[in-house]
Amino acid sequence: EVQLVESGGGLVQPGGSLRLSCTASGFTFSSYWMHWVRQAPGKGLVWVSRINSDGSNITYADSVKGRFTISRDNAKNTLYLQMNSLRTEDTAVYYCARQTSGWPHIWGQGTVVTVSS
Amino acid sequence: EIVLTQSPATLSLSPGERATLSCRASQSVSSYLAWYQQKPGQPPRLLIYDASNRVTGIPARFSGSGSGTDFTLTISSLEPEDFALYYCQQRRNWPLTFGQGTRLEIK
Repeated sequence: EVQLVESGGGLVQPGGSLRLSCTASGFTFSSYWMHWVRQAPGKGLVWVSRINSDGSNITYADSVKGRFTISRDNAKNTLYLQMNSLRTEDTAVYYCARQTSGWPHIWGQGTVVTVSS
Repeated sequence: EIVLTQSPATLSLSPGERATLSCRASQSVSSYLAWYQQKPGQPPRLLIYDASNRVTGIPARFSGSGSGTDFTLTISSLEPEDFALYYCQQRRNWPLTFGQGTRLEIK
């Protein structure tokens, strides 16, 4: 079964850091581009970042550029999102998603990040 | 950034009725548009990609149409499990952007 499981969320103070992980199973992780998408409480979906299959091509939303870093370890079947200089507006459920046919297709259940003092 | 505007914000219909959801792009996205369904506490589920291609396993009552700036998701006959939030998304340009969503509720 194709599965993505996010972890690493939690409560952090403004200015703090968190590293999210997304562990993949049931497919050849190293063959797929991956995305992070977030959803603030009661709000819509916002794309955050994407990385190609070998990690050589990365794109970020302007709102996180310079603060967040996406990366992957294909040997560990894991996608990461390092989040620094966190702001209250970064509070959201963070989803990882596997790309298929150019689209975020298979999604994890999400991990909750709360930025608050 | 391409802005996607969905209408209506809320659609109230009864099971068995036909639902028509719209998504308008601020500039042409060609056919690079997808539709997602999201239920409370769940991640989004991809329904339609490239404007009109149904994902494997998605019921045939879901269909997508349009190109350029105007797109439609049609649910031909609503089932109880179809009442949810629906988002459109474009991948014509970075950043990927989503519409604000249409809530489909039971009348």
